[in-house]
Amino acid sequence: KNEVEQSPQNLTAQEGEFITINCSYSVGISALHWLQQHPGGGIVSLFMLSSGKKKHGRLIATINIQEKHSSLHITASHPRDSAVYICAVSPSGGSNYKLTFGKGTLLTVNP
Amino acid sequence: DGGITQSPKYLFRKEGQNVTLSCEQNLNHDAMYWYRQDPGQGLRLIYYSQIVNDFQKGDIAEGYSVSREKKESFPLTVTSAQKNPTAFYLCASSQWANYGYTFGSGTRLTVV
Repeated sequence: KNEVEQSPQNLTAQEGEFITINCSYSVGISALHWLQQHPGGGIVSLFMLSSGKKKHGRLIATINIQEKHSSLHITASHPRDSAVYICAVSPSGGSNYKLTFGKGTLLTVNP
Repeated sequence: DGGITQSPKYLFRKEGQNVTLSCEQNLNHDAMYWYRQDPGQGLRLIYYSQIVNDFQKGDIAEGYSVSREKKESFPLTVTSAQKNPTAFYLCASSQWANYGYTFGSGTRLTVV
């Protein structure tokens, strides 16, 4: 079983819809990261959080440390949001330089 | 603008040849990382370096080598010992652990 599980694997939405991507992890963490990978392959860091909630534009990330769960929400989705969204965790303790990644969620937003 | 530059974007290699992937950052970050991405799998750590002249093996270091002679540079060599080198390779950096990570645009290596 992977230490980081994302759901769904694939998600198709219509422009304007509210989108939620989920991430569950099984290890103790010091931080959780949400990343965005566009078709060209480059990755952009969206959020790093260790508690609560963060918002940037139409993106909102939440984390529940007790339940070992995080969600990424996109409000008023747009075709340019189409990308792979990746959840990654920094384990707590001495190896916290080493991120563990989920397999990603492929989001397609149709006009 | 600060960032990470990976080159080349696409690389073709004949079996049995070593090849070096370049990664340069101008963010003054101490830590640098190499990841491998295969279809349907999460990124996996190959090597990482927390400081100049020091580096540690990641989860899949066999068949790879790195150097960290300068703070801004962390080249990755894919050797002929790597059994299945065709993959997408990503370089990243961070100021220190649990600080924001910056990723490069990647190099897609194909062995022909």
